[in-house]
Amino acid sequence: KQEVTQIPAALSVPEGENLVLNCSFTDSAIYNLQWFRQDPGKGLTSLLLIQSSQREQTSGRLNASLDKSSGRSTLYIAASQPGDSATYLCAVRRSNSGYALNFGKGTSLLVTP
Amino acid sequence: DAGITQSPRHKVTETGTPVTLRCHQTENHRYMYWYRQDPGHGLRLIHYSYGVKDTDKGEVSDGYSVSRSKTEDFLLTLESATSSQTSVYFCAISPAGTGVYQETQYFGPGTRLLVL
Repeated sequence: KQEVTQIPAALSVPEGENLVLNCSFTDSAIYNLQWFRQDPGKGLTSLLLIQSSQREQTSGRLNASLDKSSGRSTLYIAASQPGDSATYLCAVRRSNSGYALNFGKGTSLLVTP
Repeated sequence: DAGITQSPRHKVTETGTPVTLRCHQTENHRYMYWYRQDPGHGLRLIHYSYGVKDTDKGEVSDGYSVSRSKTEDFLLTLESATSSQTSVYFCAISPAGTGVYQETQYFGPGTRLLVL
């Protein structure tokens, strides 16, 4: 069974800092990895998807990297803003699991002004 | 945001009653999914559909059934609701094929269900 772990569970940083969120997974046979953002009481917003053949994806101030061999992904947020405060979820789709995503429990980020 | 709506958005029901949640999409995407989100467990797949009338079970399918008679609608039914089914239920959709866009799952706003 694919286990997805996100560390830290919570993070508080002052505005303007660059920060890194971590995601690790136990089975390296993945099809893709997706990062989401979830605001309190809301649905999930897709941020980035990295296919298994890719090493990274970028969107604005966000950069996600993937190292399948070590079972790790990182989400880098540059110049953090209070509006970035949310829970960030990592999800892995395994190569042989059909379409199910295995989710981590998330990192709760607070960016203080 | 992807064109996904869920109804109802909130529901309170009693143990033993049937409950149906609806997911509606305007994107004409092939794949549709039902997840539940619980503290300590994260999100888990209940059922998914890969086309009209084509569905399959996910990780936590016991006590749930689904139906998809039209591309745009995917229904989740709790046959006889139990307190353990109190949760937030999310619908997701994705297009067919290979590629970043095609493989991305887009989520709806969720339905909060309380079973008393």
